Amino acid sequence: ELTLVESGGDLVQPGGSLTLSCGASGFTSTSSWMSYWMSWVRQAPGKGPEWVANIKQDGSEENYLASVKGRFTITRDNARNSVYLQMNSLRVEDTAIYYCVRGDGTSWPFDHWGQGTLVTVSS
Amino acid sequence: SSELTQDPAVSVALGQTVKITCQGDSVRIYYASWYQQRPGQAPVLVMYGKNNRPSEIPDRFSGSVSGNTASLIITGAQAEDEGIYYCSSRDSSAKHAVFGEGTRLTVL
Repeated sequence: ELTLVESGGDLVQPGGSLTLSCGASGFTSTSSWMSYWMSWVRQAPGKGPEWVANIKQDGSEENYLASVKGRFTITRDNARNSVYLQMNSLRVEDTAIYYCVRGDGTSWPFDHWGQGTLVTVSS
Repeated sequence: SSELTQDPAVSVALGQTVKITCQGDSVRIYYASWYQQRPGQAPVLVMYGKNNRPSEIPDRFSGSVSGNTASLIITGAQAEDEGIYYCSSRDSSAKHAVFGEGTRLTVL
């Protein structure tokens, strides 16, 4: 069974930085992991999900939500079946549960979700 | 406001059929995916494409598309189907995913 586990969420002050990590297990092989785009999707308290960023199978292409472009960076390490989200210049409105998700939501749905990690941006 | 429009809440009697809808221009071309979220849990994919269901999702869930409206149909709703249902499709650029604001389903 595919499992995605996020870590790294924390309380941070506005303007601060944080790096989220996501490890995947249950893929039948490395090539299976590399068959999929990976995404980060966030959900603010009481709100619906919001796609944040995604990264192509080989890491050669990244896409970002307009409000995070230039502040967030998504990367992946295919040798470790892991994906990361570096977040800089954090704002209060970035406060949310951040989910690591398999798929890009366009060519393939978000078919597996982690349990999420909470990022709180507050002074 | 979202590019995808959903009714805020819907209710259904136990064992009856309910339709949850999602309206948006992108649905006409790219269809929609549907996600169920129970309190305190991560969303779960329940339907995608024209009418594709993950293997672990009960067959009482089905989907349809007509024009710019996608529908998630639950035939014989069960108590465990309660939750918030979000649809997702492409944004106006057609490059990125966008979610609707969700429909809260109550099973009476």
